Amino acid sequence: DQQVKQNSPSLSVQEGRISILNCDYTNSMFDYFLWYKKYPAEGPTFLISISSIKDKNEDGRFTVFLNKSAKHLSLHIVPSQPGDSAVYFCAASTYAGGTSYGKLTFGQGTILTVHP
Amino acid sequence: NAGVTQTPKFQVLKTGQSMTLQCAQDMNHNSMYWYRQDPGMGLRLIYYSASEGTTDKGEVPNGYNVSRLNKREFSLRLESAAPSQTSVYFCASSEKVGKKVYEQYFGPGTRLTVT
Repeated sequence: DQQVKQNSPSLSVQEGRISILNCDYTNSMFDYFLWYKKYPAEGPTFLISISSIKDKNEDGRFTVFLNKSAKHLSLHIVPSQPGDSAVYFCAASTYAGGTSYGKLTFGQGTILTVHP
Repeated sequence: NAGVTQTPKFQVLKTGQSMTLQCAQDMNHNSMYWYRQDPGMGLRLIYYSASEGTTDKGEVPNGYNVSRLNKREFSLRLESAAPSQTSVYFCASSEKVGKKVYEQYFGPGTRLTVT
């Protein structure tokens, strides 16, 4: 059972335009969400996160939106640049203490290609 | 400051062989994790160690064992490799202060092929 889903395997965008990557989740216990970016032959790198008490978090060109009622989050990249071409993973976790904390459940990833 | 390092980068095994993947972090993080990445599956948690001296199973632990050697090092062992374990393996670490969990930092990965 895939608790975190990225239904678009790939997305192609022109340089300067907006990229919107989507992610859906099913587990209502998730209360912390992250986006990671991955280049080929490298490990994922953290991009941006959002707590469930917020509905938006911005960091430069990157904004993450969270819609708890729809169990949906999205990552907006504006403006998109060719260097943004990578695989983007959304991930979810719970804050709770104990041995379950910090475990991330990842989506399948979306390949973003930004054309010059 | 190297972050998270993994060895080896590449490995080819025959079915039934054993090997240990090594991971070390220099960020003084308490928690460490092992993931595998397969096409169309994202990253799936194999084992994790919330703190030195503890280990717990993740989503896909079968066929693997782990050792948290000290605060810095967390190794993953395949006792009898199978073709289904062909994958890219990532180690990660993170810090937790009180109830707040911080983002995980990943190593560069080990690409393992089992023939």
